[in-house]
Amino acid sequence: RKEVEQDPGPFNVPEGATVAFNCTYSNSASQSFFWYRQDCRKEPKLLMSVYSSGNEDGRFTAQLNRASQYISLLIRDSKLSDSATYLCVPSTGTASKLTFGTGTRLQVTL
Amino acid sequence: DAGITQSPRHKVTETGTPVTLRCHQTENHRYMYWYRQDPGHGLRLIHYSYGVKDTDKGEVSDGYSVSRSKTEDFLLTLESATSSQTSVYFCAIRQVDAYEQYFGPGTRLTVT
Repeated sequence: RKEVEQDPGPFNVPEGATVAFNCTYSNSASQSFFWYRQDCRKEPKLLMSVYSSGNEDGRFTAQLNRASQYISLLIRDSKLSDSATYLCVPSTGTASKLTFGTGTRLQVTL
Repeated sequence: DAGITQSPRHKVTETGTPVTLRCHQTENHRYMYWYRQDPGHGLRLIHYSYGVKDTDKGEVSDGYSVSRSKTEDFLLTLESATSSQTSVYFCAIRQVDAYEQYFGPGTRLTVT
């Protein structure tokens, strides 16, 4: 089983749509969780940290279910600029070792 | 944006030659990391550092060594480059009291 599993997509959605990404992780010792976005041939950029109670940042909402080892990201009112690959990233240990999957690709169209 | 630079940004080298990649930060963060990214794989940790002269291996450390003689610089060395080390290399930094990592712009390395 992969350590981080995400639907690779692509998810093709029109501008203004709401889209949700799901992610499962296998290491129950994971302590912190993040969503990064990565544009083609660029570095990953931190989108948001994910807290146990769930958290919202503008159009983005993240949820964490530790019992099911499941993380989600909801994007409302999609913009063309949201087109990217979204990476669900758990971290483990005091050194905060991040575990990356291959991500979910989102393409927002006119 | 986090103050992280990587050099060189692009490099083409021949099999068997030594290569050193540099990561430089202006944030004075204690933790620094080296990752590689390949098609079909997520980023994978090569080595990391938790302070000057303090380093440890990641999941794909074979063929790589690192050094950190100053807080601001973390060097990744391929002693004898192989074609399997063709990849994009990212450096990341982290504060000691937080878990978020911030990435540099990457180095594209091609070994022919």
